[in-house]
Amino acid sequence: DGGITQSPKYLFRKEGQNVTLSCEQNLNHDAMYWYRQDPGQGLRLIYYSQIVNDFQKGDIAEGYSVSREKKESFPLTVTSAQKNPTAFYLCASSPGLAETQYFGPGTRLLVL
Amino acid sequence: SQQGEEDPQALSIQEGENATMNCSYKTSINNLQWYRQNSGRGLVHLILIRSNEREKHSGRLRVTLDTSKKSSSLLITASRAADTASYFCATDWTGANNLFFGTGTRLTVIP
Repeated sequence: DGGITQSPKYLFRKEGQNVTLSCEQNLNHDAMYWYRQDPGQGLRLIYYSQIVNDFQKGDIAEGYSVSREKKESFPLTVTSAQKNPTAFYLCASSPGLAETQYFGPGTRLLVL
Repeated sequence: SQQGEEDPQALSIQEGENATMNCSYKTSINNLQWYRQNSGRGLVHLILIRSNEREKHSGRLRVTLDTSKKSSSLLITASRAADTASYFCATDWTGANNLFFGTGTRLTVIP
């Protein structure tokens, strides 16, 4: 069953804590993306990766970090430097940059 | 910002009516895509229209593109309650490496 998965569905972060959101795809796509969505808002790009071992900052990269060690995986770490992390986080993949994107179900991050 | 902007922000119609939402953008594009998002879920791709196309159909969806006005419209005919969702346009503007998503139109179809 091909697709893109994200885990966990809900994540709680304590003050000063780093948390990592998982994103996995078995679509054999080269490009992967992380977006942040705030209530009633559009998507803002955090990071994207065109190929393995390469990634670029998006519009709101501060306080976030990523890695792309495998083609299938693109985890996002929300660091303690991100002062307002509460949001809905969406991962996506596409065959190449700027092509049709396929989205995961999202992770909702809440701060305790 | 190079994001597109959808209009209206929110739309409420009766089941069976048609729904029209619009997207405006600022720069030359290679293509424009429409996505749908059910509440609390990921986005789902609906349709892609290239800059050299003017109209495209997919089932009950009709998309038009006017590059001279830098605008696109999405028409959903014979709406159903299950069409209730947010709809986003995304542009692949010339020279960019990514898609830029608009702020969305929230459609409510009343049974």
